[in-house]
Amino acid sequence: KQEVTQIPAALSVPEGENLVLNCSFTDSAIYNLQWFRQDPGKGLTSLLLIQSSQREQTSGRLNASLDKSSGRSTLYIAASQPGDSATYLCAVRGGLTQGGSEKLVFGKGTKLTVNP
Amino acid sequence: EAQVTQNPRYLITVTGKKLTVTCSQNMNHEYMSWYRQDPGLGLRQIYYSMNVEVTDKGDVPEGYKVSRKEKRNFPLILESPSPNQTSLYFCASSPLRGLSSYNSPLHFGNGTRLTVT
Repeated sequence: KQEVTQIPAALSVPEGENLVLNCSFTDSAIYNLQWFRQDPGKGLTSLLLIQSSQREQTSGRLNASLDKSSGRSTLYIAASQPGDSATYLCAVRGGLTQGGSEKLVFGKGTKLTVNP
Repeated sequence: EAQVTQNPRYLITVTGKKLTVTCSQNMNHEYMSWYRQDPGLGLRQIYYSMNVEVTDKGDVPEGYKVSRKEKRNFPLILESPSPNQTSLYFCASSPLRGLSSYNSPLHFGNGTRLTVT
């Protein structure tokens, strides 16, 4: 059974700092990995999607990397701002342990606080 | 505006009283899915649908039903709700491209907070 772990569970940083969020998964035979942002009381907003054949994706101050063989992904946030405060979740799609199905398995998220 | 719309946003009900949470998307997406989010357990998939009249179980389908009679709608039905179904529910959709939806990002609704007493 695919398991997705995010470390740390919570992170507090001063404004302007560069930071890295981590995501690991147990079944490396995934189809893609997606990073989401969730604001309190809101739904999830897709930030970046990395296909299984890709190593990284970039959007503005965000950069996500994927190392399938080691079962790891990182989300790098450059020059963090208070508006980046939210919970960040990663999710993996597919995998041999799921029979290649459409199931999406989420990590429990990292709650980020960027202090002014 | 492209969006996934869930209704209601908040719902308080009693054990055993049937309820339906609606989900509608205006993006002509083939793939739709329901999740529940619980503290300490994260997001877990309940059911998903690849297209009209095609549904399949996720990781926690017990106590739930879904239907996909139209492409845009994917209601979640709780025939006899119980307190352990108190949770935050999310609907999501994405397109299917060719034979695979695997490289299409999911679009989420704003959630439905359900309380069963």
